[in-house]
Amino acid sequence: EAAVTQSPRNKVAVTGGKVTLSCNQTNNHNNMYWYRQDTGHGLRLIHYSYGAGSTEKGDIPDGYKASRPSQENFSLILELATPSQTSVYFCASGGLGFSAETLYFGSGTRLTVL
Amino acid sequence: SQLAEENPWALSVHEGESVTVNCSYKTSITALQWYRQKSGEGPAQLILIRSNEREKRNGRLRATLDTSSQSSSLSITATRCEDTAVYFCATGRGSALGRLHFGAGTQLIVIP
Repeated sequence: EAAVTQSPRNKVAVTGGKVTLSCNQTNNHNNMYWYRQDTGHGLRLIHYSYGAGSTEKGDIPDGYKASRPSQENFSLILELATPSQTSVYFCASGGLGFSAETLYFGSGTRLTVL
Repeated sequence: SQLAEENPWALSVHEGESVTVNCSYKTSITALQWYRQKSGEGPAQLILIRSNEREKRNGRLRATLDTSSQSSSLSITATRCEDTAVYFCATGRGSALGRLHFGAGTQLIVIP
């Protein structure tokens, strides 16, 4: 069964601090994604990757960096965290199927920036 | 503004009843997906319907797609308490199929 694991599950950070959210997938999928979820906005794409060593900007990349050191791991980095980045973050992996792609999501990381 | 939008924002039904959630979207699409998110979990896909399909079923779930009106619906028959969740539609296009655009979701509560 597809498996995407995120850590930590909860994180409290201070304004201006550095935060790293981690994601590991055992699906052997090439594509991985970082979304954030806020009330009233649904899920919005921050960064994504097509494979190890690649990262691409999504729809709301400002204030975030991403790193894909291997097929299995994809990190989201907040170099200077701000209260507006308080949110729930979801990582997903995708296996490219015929003409469409199903995403498999992790359980999320709840980040609070004080 | 969002590229996909579900309505209503929230609804409740009694167990055993049927329910329909609607979705409207604003761009041309390759496929539309319905996801369900239970409290404390990540979204999980329910149905993927491609732009050349008009209807797709998955057990008690039935999705329709009308590309001319840029709308979709998800119907659940014989609802159960475990169907309580937020339901999202998500659209994808072309080579960036995983770059899904999600709506804000419909909160469904199934009353025992």
